[in-house]
Amino acid sequence: DTEVTQTPKHLVMGMTNKKSLKCEQHMGHRAMYWYKQKAKKPPELMFVYSYEKLSINESVPSRFSPECPNSSLLNLHLHALQPEDSALYLCASSPVVAGGGYEQYFGPGTRLTVT
Amino acid sequence: DAKTTQPTSMDCAEGRAANLPCNHSTISGNEYVYWYRQIHSQGPQYIIHGLKNNETNEMASLIITEDRKSSTLILPHATLRDTAVYYCIVSQGAQKLVFGQGTRLTINP
Repeated sequence: DTEVTQTPKHLVMGMTNKKSLKCEQHMGHRAMYWYKQKAKKPPELMFVYSYEKLSINESVPSRFSPECPNSSLLNLHLHALQPEDSALYLCASSPVVAGGGYEQYFGPGTRLTVT
Repeated sequence: DAKTTQPTSMDCAEGRAANLPCNHSTISGNEYVYWYRQIHSQGPQYIIHGLKNNETNEMASLIITEDRKSSTLILPHATLRDTAVYYCIVSQGAQKLVFGQGTRLTINP
């Protein structure tokens, strides 16, 4: 199974709502990632979890709160978002190998619209 | 991580080889060259990576110049399904991938 699944596929939320995005993989990967992709732009890294611990936070606003409850699951909790946060949110996973040279597997993304 | 430069767009005829160039003149000795592609409205897909030697897999070939300052991704027999944005990324570790603007490759029938 080389699939990364993300739910929901689409999400519309108001600025006062609280919602969560979910990502799951069963490849035994111990690194998981959140990316944000605005329309017609490349993906931008938000967070990296390595062995269920947050290892990289790319100065993401606190209204985005990641969580890695176990090695297969990654959540992104959303609260008090702004319309400019509307984007495609991509999850990825990879093995953890010293020195690099391995691939990241990406999910299909959740398309988020903030109204 | 070193920055990369890619053409904004390219066209290729179906069935022909598509050669996508990438310049990375500031690459350091322990940085890998990765190629990913993104078909419209899908998540990025890993294609291939290399450090110094040329690499080939079932999807593509990666040719890295001897001085490692540039590389070329080769799709040997392009199909319409290869139409996508192709990203060349240079990174020491594979965890922090910084995507540039990429090359929009259009395969024409």
